[in-house]
Amino acid sequence: EPEVTQTPSHQVTQMGQEVILRCVPISNHLYFYWYRQILGQKVEFLVSFYNNEISEKSEIFDDQFSVERPDGSNFTLKIRSTKLEDSAMYFCASSQGSTGNSPLHFGNGTRLTVT
Amino acid sequence: SQQGEEDPQALSIQEGENATMNCSYKTSINNLQWYRQNSGRGLVHLILIRSNEREKHSGRLRVTLDTSKKSSSLLITASRAADTASYFCATGNTGNQFYFGTGTSLTVIP
Repeated sequence: EPEVTQTPSHQVTQMGQEVILRCVPISNHLYFYWYRQILGQKVEFLVSFYNNEISEKSEIFDDQFSVERPDGSNFTLKIRSTKLEDSAMYFCASSQGSTGNSPLHFGNGTRLTVT
Repeated sequence: SQQGEEDPQALSIQEGENATMNCSYKTSINNLQWYRQNSGRGLVHLILIRSNEREKHSGRLRVTLDTSKKSSSLLITASRAADTASYFCATGNTGNQFYFGTGTSLTVIP
């Protein structure tokens, strides 16, 4: 069964550094998402992406965050200047249709540790 | 916020028993979905119920939806140790964002 893949599985970075988290969504999916989960807490929506542009974003997704689909397969999340509080699991997801109609398929996440 | 909230936060049962988790939300929805998360892993979709449906089954899972009360329940029958995980409800609307609750942590004791 096709799956969403994320790399790396664990990223350690120093505060103030830039990180890029990578995702390969399922190939025939059209909608892409990033979520984050601070340890033991709720899964928080960051951003959704459709037709090569951001369709929705949350208050968390401020100017330090950006997303890109640089080619036909990858979907990336960039954090420009990491803060300690950015430490979390970051999950990529994709869906065939919008959230009104389709389930999301998640990757296994990237654990980001900011020191 | 459209976010779902699960109840209870934690549930511990013996293998073979049924587990019931509840979800409440605040605004109108197109659908409500339940997901499962094993520790340290991504979320896995379990079942989607549309706003015009009242009940849905999938294997040992039974989901109900009461839009008048803005609530849903997930019943896992004849639980197994492998069902140990966190369970989340999520609500979808016409927009393109999907809100998850805080989850119910289920422990099934062999």
